[in-house]
Amino acid sequence: EDQVTQSPEALRLQEGESSSLNCSYTVSGLRGLFWYRQDPGKGPEFLFTLYSAGEEKEKERLKATLTKKESFLHITAPKPEDSATYLCAFDGGATNKLIFGTGTLLAVQP
Amino acid sequence: GAVVSQHPSRVICKSGTSVKIECRSLDFQATTMFWYRQFPKQSLMLMATSNEGSKATYEQGVEKDKFLINHASLTLSTLTVTSAHPEDSSFYICSASDQTYNSPLHFGNGTRLTVT
Repeated sequence: EDQVTQSPEALRLQEGESSSLNCSYTVSGLRGLFWYRQDPGKGPEFLFTLYSAGEEKEKERLKATLTKKESFLHITAPKPEDSATYLCAFDGGATNKLIFGTGTLLAVQP
Repeated sequence: GAVVSQHPSRVICKSGTSVKIECRSLDFQATTMFWYRQFPKQSLMLMATSNEGSKATYEQGVEKDKFLINHASLTLSTLTVTSAHPEDSSFYICSASDQTYNSPLHFGNGTRLTVT
């Protein structure tokens, strides 16, 4: 069965303390691995799409990487405004049908 | 970038009544939209795929007669929660893609439904 697992469930960092979030997947024929950010009471906001092992993408303090079994979201020198739930998802086969992991709740303290 | 608008953002209704939630793609056409449900501190669960001009495709375990989906135009899909009960209280989120090559799904800001 295709599935995606995120760890840790929750992460508390001090401002400036870099870390990484993990997304492990077992998907036959991965057609895209997606990262989203979700603020409380809001819909997910698109961050990155990765398609092949070795691919990397960056946006401000965030960098996403992909291997054949997992993806990492690296956060460099985070700020309090980076606090949110970070979700990864994979393409479930039908056009743009995304299946989400359980998310990592990130809290960055000043 | 692509914008998806969802309305209302919050709704409170009494048990037994029906509630309609609208999802619009503001600057692109969407032949397919997706409806998700999210319980507190849990991830998004796909409920159904809304197809313009045809019947929606529901995920296993989702009652199609309770969650009516209509996708009458290329920019509008609606989800109607019929005969709502307290256990239907949840955060409902729609999404759509402009379906150009490698375009991601964009999400609305969700609807918080509370059934009393």
